[in-house]
Amino acid sequence: NAGVTQTPKFRVLKTGQSMTLLCAQDMNHEYMYWYRQDPGMGLRLIHYSVGEGTTAKGEVPDGYNVSRLKKQNFLLGLESAAPSQTSVYFCASSLFSNQPQHFGDGTRLSIL
Amino acid sequence: DQQVKQNSPSLSVQEGRISILNCDYTNSMFDYFLWYKKYPAEGPTFLISISSIKDKNEDGRFTVFLNKSAKHLSLHIVPSQPGDSAVYFCAASEIQGAQKLVFGQGTRLTINP
Repeated sequence: NAGVTQTPKFRVLKTGQSMTLLCAQDMNHEYMYWYRQDPGMGLRLIHYSVGEGTTAKGEVPDGYNVSRLKKQNFLLGLESAAPSQTSVYFCASSLFSNQPQHFGDGTRLSIL
Repeated sequence: DQQVKQNSPSLSVQEGRISILNCDYTNSMFDYFLWYKKYPAEGPTFLISISSIKDKNEDGRFTVFLNKSAKHLSLHIVPSQPGDSAVYFCAASEIQGAQKLVFGQGTRLTINP
């Protein structure tokens, strides 16, 4: 009964380093999403996917790339991390577009 | 330009009383609205939703009201319980296509015994 699992939970990077955040869901959901949450703000959509092999830009896509090679996994990549990308990242999935999204517990990322 | 706004950063309510959380939106294309609850170090958890064809939706102690003409929705929790203490986010999207949620800033609800 895992739902949406995010890996890692915490990470500290230096400016310019790259990394990949992994999101895995075991609910056979078609749609997957990546959000970031900054202090005093709501979650903002970075990228999303409407099915295996598809990706699309959200509200704040700059500096990030994504891939959905398998239906159950959605990867978020930072090619050259910047301090402005310090945030808590949440992954979510939904069965259909008109169904509520289920969220993972987040990845706290600090970039020095 | 914030399309979804929760103007109260915090709210304190006595246990057993009604909690009312408010949310305003500006985008008239939004037709699906949700409330999420979030505890520290956890992801948001879906609470209740409403589509624009309704003006009220109930689920146990939780009721969401939608006033389309005022572009306003509210979440009522009655009676409030200590376990309801959390941050509440309202979110909105268009039903057509992917559910690209736009979130408000959140309201921290504290239920006092």
